[in-house]
Amino acid sequence: EAGVAQSPRYKIIEKRQSVAFWCNPISGHATLYWYQQILGQGPKLLIQFQNNGVVDDSQLPKDRFSAERLKGVDSTLKIQPAKLEDSAVYLCASSLLPGTGTHQPQHFGDGTRLSIL
Amino acid sequence: AQSVAQPEDQVNVAEGNPLTVKCTYSVSGNPYLFWYVQYPNRGLQFLLKYITGDNLVKGSYGFEAEFNKSQTSFHLKKPSALVSDSALYFCAVRDITTSGTYKYIFGTGTRLKVLA
Repeated sequence: EAGVAQSPRYKIIEKRQSVAFWCNPISGHATLYWYQQILGQGPKLLIQFQNNGVVDDSQLPKDRFSAERLKGVDSTLKIQPAKLEDSAVYLCASSLLPGTGTHQPQHFGDGTRLSIL
Repeated sequence: AQSVAQPEDQVNVAEGNPLTVKCTYSVSGNPYLFWYVQYPNRGLQFLLKYITGDNLVKGSYGFEAEFNKSQTSFHLKKPSALVSDSALYFCAVRDITTSGTYKYIFGTGTRLKVLA
C-alpha cells in the first residue's frame, strides 16, 4: 500500500512569513495526526482529526497555527506568521479507526523540515 | 496525565551484543505502551505494542519489549544488535483526548548506536 505522503520535504522561510504543509494519508485511514518534532525531542501532537472533525487540538497554538481536513482525506497545516521557535520537523500520521479493544498503529510520513531564518 | 520517560539520550552497543533501551511510564489505569523507531530524515515506524497479556512482547525486526508493572517499565530489547539497528527509538503511551478518543504521548527518544 502507498504510505503517508507529505510535501514539501523542506521549507526555509523568514520569520513572520506564512507557510503551509500538505498531507495525504493512507487510503481508508479515518484518523489523521499532525505532530511537531523539535530537534532532540519526541513528536508533540498538534492536532488530531477523525474523518474531517477535530478530536484534539489542545496543543495547537491557535493564534498562528491552523489545520483543516476537507472531505476527511487530505489535510493542510498552516503557520501564519512563523516564529523562530517554529523551526522543527512537521510529521503527519494516519491510522484506521480503532476497533473495540484493538490498537491501530500510526503510519507516519517522512515529514517536512521547516527552518525559520 | 499519562507520560513516559526515556532516561538515556544515547546507548552504544557493539554489534552482536544484546541491547536494551529503557522506558518508564506513569499512567492512571491500565497502560497501553508502544515502541517506534525513526531512521534519519524519515518518519516513525511502529515496532511493537503492549496492551494486555504476556509481559514479553515480540515485534518487528527481532525486537521485543518487557513490561514490568512493579517497576513501571517497558524496556526495548534485542538479543543480538545489528549496525542497521542504529536509529532513534521512541517509547509512547496512549492517552485519552478531551473528545474521548485516543492520542499518543511520546518520550524524548534514545539514540541507539551499534558499533561494528
